[in-house]
Amino acid sequence: KNQVEQSPQSLIILEGKNCTLQCNYTVSPFSNLRWYKQDTGRGPVSLTIMTFSENTKSNGRYTATLDADTKQSSLHITASQLSDSASYICVVSDRGSTLGRLYFGRGTQLTVWP
Amino acid sequence: EADIYQTPRYLVIGTGKKITLECSQTMGHDKMYWYQQDPGMELHLIHYSYGVNSTEKGDLSSESTVSRIRTEHFPLTLESARPSHTSQYLCATQVGSFSRGQFFGPGTRLTVL
Repeated sequence: KNQVEQSPQSLIILEGKNCTLQCNYTVSPFSNLRWYKQDTGRGPVSLTIMTFSENTKSNGRYTATLDADTKQSSLHITASQLSDSASYICVVSDRGSTLGRLYFGRGTQLTVWP
Repeated sequence: EADIYQTPRYLVIGTGKKITLECSQTMGHDKMYWYQQDPGMELHLIHYSYGVNSTEKGDLSSESTVSRIRTEHFPLTLESARPSHTSQYLCATQVGSFSRGQFFGPGTRLTVL
């Protein structure tokens, strides 16, 4: 069964600290993995996208890694800010059909305290 | 500026009412999607459309219906709302394959009493 599992479910850190969020997937075949940030009451916004051949991709203070062999991805946030408080969702796309489909994780709820 | 709009943003209604959630986009994207999201849970696809006059049911069984008469509009209708329909509804658009990414609207928070 194709699944996307994220950990931890929730995380609280102090402003300025770093943190790493995990995403494990069993989706096969694999096309790409995308991390989204979803602020409370808003729709998700894409942070990074990674394909099979990519190991690392950065977007400002956000750095995503992908290990396609172990089917694991992480999102590292450096020097956290209060505005980083949000849910971070891992989404994996397969290529099993002409147009593929998306598999969503439940998200990690990050809270940054001052 | 190209964007996705959802109205209303918040809606509280009584059981049995008919409601329509609006989604419109100015990006000209051919593909549009409706997702249902409960707190702490993953997004579930309930409807999608690959273009005008094309609509399909998603993975999650839903008592809602959709229409796609124009590229820019993809409204979702509940004929008779029930408390089990209480949820957040997200509209998304996409151009081309999933590698291009989906763009999400701000969502509609629906509460059925």
